[in-house]
Amino acid sequence: TQLLEQSPQFLSIQEGENLTVYCNSSSVFSSLQWYRQEPGEGPVLLVTVVTGGEVKKLKRLTFQFGDARKDSSLHITAAQPGDTGLYLCAGPRVGNEKLTFGTGTRLTIIP
Amino acid sequence: EPEVTQTPSHQVTQMGQEVILRCVPISNHLYFYWYRQILGQKVEFLVSFYNNEISEKSEIFDDQFSVERPDGSNFTLKIRSTKLEDSAMYFCASRNSWSSYEQYFGPGTRLTVT
Repeated sequence: TQLLEQSPQFLSIQEGENLTVYCNSSSVFSSLQWYRQEPGEGPVLLVTVVTGGEVKKLKRLTFQFGDARKDSSLHITAAQPGDTGLYLCAGPRVGNEKLTFGTGTRLTIIP
Repeated sequence: EPEVTQTPSHQVTQMGQEVILRCVPISNHLYFYWYRQILGQKVEFLVSFYNNEISEKSEIFDDQFSVERPDGSNFTLKIRSTKLEDSAMYFCASRNSWSSYEQYFGPGTRLTVT
């Protein structure tokens, strides 16, 4: 059983389109982080959402934390080829500090 | 911008040999972590370290593994007798304080055990 399920696992869309990536769990998390990871490199932190229902925007990226703090989404508007990469959600479950990572979404933006 | 650094970037070792992976966390951070990622798989937690003690470890982190903060800047992961299945990317991460959830990762060390 995967603690943090991401969907879709793979996504390939045309430049300029919008997309949403989901991160779901049956467990409650203290917070959720979204990372982006390039091949052979470490995860790079994009954003942290802490409060249930919280929405954060980072340019064309919008992150939302579910009201019950069990899920999160990443929405990209007008995707660019530079958005191509592996997107990971991760979070510490309540009462814990270690990060549990999601299964990842590999995004490809076609010029 | 402060960042976590790791050395070496790639380590090749023979089965049964000891390896030490080194990390320099962000300077004002107090919490330190090691994670690993086997090729094609998820990033997995190994161990957390605070105040010169292990605060949590996973079932992967058995007696063959140890961590140390030998001075005020370095944080090391030692594998005493490497196995083929230890081949993976090893990431060090650090966090500022209990009130901050954000962990910052280093670029990783690719460990190849032959």
